Amino acid sequence: NAGVMQNPRHLVRRRGQEARLRCSPMKGHSHVYWYRQLPEEGLKFMVYLQKENIIDESGMPKERFSAEFPKEGPSILRIQQVVRGDSAAYFCASSPSLGRRTDVNTEAFFGQGTRLTVV
Amino acid sequence: GDSVTQMEGPVTLSEEAFLTINCTYTATGYPSLFWYVQYPGEGLQLLLKATKADDKGSNKGFEATYRKETTSFHLEKGSVQVSDSAVYFCALSTANRDDKIIFGKGTRLHILP
Repeated sequence: NAGVMQNPRHLVRRRGQEARLRCSPMKGHSHVYWYRQLPEEGLKFMVYLQKENIIDESGMPKERFSAEFPKEGPSILRIQQVVRGDSAAYFCASSPSLGRRTDVNTEAFFGQGTRLTVV
Repeated sequence: GDSVTQMEGPVTLSEEAFLTINCTYTATGYPSLFWYVQYPGEGLQLLLKATKADDKGSNKGFEATYRKETTSFHLEKGSVQVSDSAVYFCALSTANRDDKIIFGKGTRLHILP
């Protein structure tokens, strides 16, 4: 069972370009989380998605950032018109759906991250 | 809402010292608790977890006990090594409607030889 796959591992964009980050969750996982980590800082939650639904986007900047998790294919984090301040490591995590069970909790599995550099 | 608070770093220790990284939580319901570790240049890996009160998670010499009465899940290791230098994240998950996983801000640990 392959782990969470993120690509690309490294991405360089010029200011004003678009960045598209991809995350394929583990097989059978229907929950995806995106986090941003600035140099020497902790993880900042951005968005939590289930298949075809955004559940919580309270950590996403209101402009230029968007995320999707379609029925088929990977989750995409899209950053339009990138600026230098967007340079960071972006991590994706996935977890299985718990449905209505309340007796089971499970951890999130992380990808290796995409390191975005805006020049 | 649910939250996790962990001690701020960086924490600097000498090799073979005793380590404690404090973590407390606020949650409705009965969360599972986790410690993740991030080594330099890598993603996060699960270090240990506990799913109910008084459970003790352990791995690689690290331990943490789920204390419901003090809402804590402190990470401990009796004798740290240089290779333990990393960032440690405390986290919780609850089987609520949205199943969200919540992380603390992370604690950077430096171990000196």
